[in-house]
Amino acid sequence: GQQVMQIPQYQHVQEGEDFTTYCNSSTTLSNIQWYKQRPGGHPVFLIQLVKSGEVKKQKRLTFQFGEAKKNSSLHITATQTTDVGTYFCAPEGGNTGKLIFGQGTTLQVKP
Amino acid sequence: GAGVSQSPSNKVTEKGKDVELRCDPISGHTALYWYRQSLGQGLEFLIYFQGNSAPDKSGLPSDRFSAERTGGSVSTLTIQRTQQEDSAVYLCASTFTGALYEQYFGPGTRLTVT
Repeated sequence: GQQVMQIPQYQHVQEGEDFTTYCNSSTTLSNIQWYKQRPGGHPVFLIQLVKSGEVKKQKRLTFQFGEAKKNSSLHITATQTTDVGTYFCAPEGGNTGKLIFGQGTTLQVKP
Repeated sequence: GAGVSQSPSNKVTEKGKDVELRCDPISGHTALYWYRQSLGQGLEFLIYFQGNSAPDKSGLPSDRFSAERTGGSVSTLTIQRTQQEDSAVYLCASTFTGALYEQYFGPGTRLTVT
């Protein structure tokens, strides 16, 4: 079945540094969602990308969908301790109508 | 209530016992998912209910796992003859049909099999 590779698995940064997580697929994706899970919490929706080359911003977060729609990234500028958590990408699995979650990138931010 | 609710929040059971986990989705949502998350791991898809269609059970790890959704609303995940490797957080999410809608997750049920 379709799978996505999310890298890195873990990232430790100093507060104020930037952070990027990547989501890569061997097949073309129709759309992709991103979720954030705080420690001890449940995943919460962040954004959805649908168009080739799409870029969306939410304050310090920038989401990109690759031109070939095979990869996506989430970039956080000037991290804060509130950014701590695990970030999951979740593309649609084929035309199944269901999402396939990546393994996630866990971000730790040192104050 | 506006969100997805799950019960119980915590369940400790002995190996070999059966357990039932409940999910109350957001009213009007036509799709419901069950996921399993082991400590420090990603989300493992278990089962997907979509409207009146037959559920997608492709993620159920063994025939000890089953789920049903009654009246297109409440869902129950049943694990028979629990094993220690079943220990995990079981998350339910509801949404509208299709992958273009965000999923709303419940707080999860933490299952511990001793």
